[in-house]
Amino acid sequence: SYELTQPPSVSVSPGQTASITCSGDNLEKKYACWYQKKPGQPPVVVIYQDKKRPSGIPERFSGSNSGNTATLTISGTQAMDEADYFCQAWDSSSAVFGGGTKLTVL
Amino acid sequence: EVQLVQSGAEVKKPGESVKISCKGSGYSFTTTWIGWVRHMPGKGLEWMGIIYPDDSDTRYNPSFQGQVAISADKSINTVYLQWRSLKAADTAMFFCARRDASGSYLDLWGQGTLVTVSS
Repeated sequence: SYELTQPPSVSVSPGQTASITCSGDNLEKKYACWYQKKPGQPPVVVIYQDKKRPSGIPERFSGSNSGNTATLTISGTQAMDEADYFCQAWDSSSAVFGGGTKLTVL
Repeated sequence: EVQLVQSGAEVKKPGESVKISCKGSGYSFTTTWIGWVRHMPGKGLEWMGIIYPDDSDTRYNPSFQGQVAISADKSINTVYLQWRSLKAADTAMFFCARRDASGSYLDLWGQGTLVTVSS
């Protein structure tokens, strides 16, 4: 079965750039998306189709997907961005999630 | 308003059954795939399966096949997730989510239903 791998944690200082990676075999052949998950709330998509931002998502969120790695980049990270981030792709009709990355803003 | 509204929290004993629901409104519910996602405390998101309400075509993650049942009642724009015999290990938050029209992501999520299984 298809697997996606993320680092368990990433730390960033306020105002700096955070990058979270997601690795999977030939991931560039699939669309990758990213969800932000805060405690007590459902996930919210912040990037879809590798690099598209839904309406309402700040411009500081961006994405890329090349080779075996998709990357979520948060520029000018704010305290409110502290959350768990999950990448996701599709393997046939099944969604595959990465293990999640806890982003700490300190 | 476009939304998915899930049923309330459940507290059950091991061996009991439960059926939680997810009701859609504000869009063409029957012709959009709806999936279920498990989130256990301190763990990641896990894909359970997906259903097409119009004809109840259902695809399970093999890890959950036989453990749960996903169904739909298109007459009331509702999909269900059911257990026949719960275990303590089933304790988790469960989310329903809509697969977007392009099929590339989950664009609309329910608020989640907490199922707690404890003796």
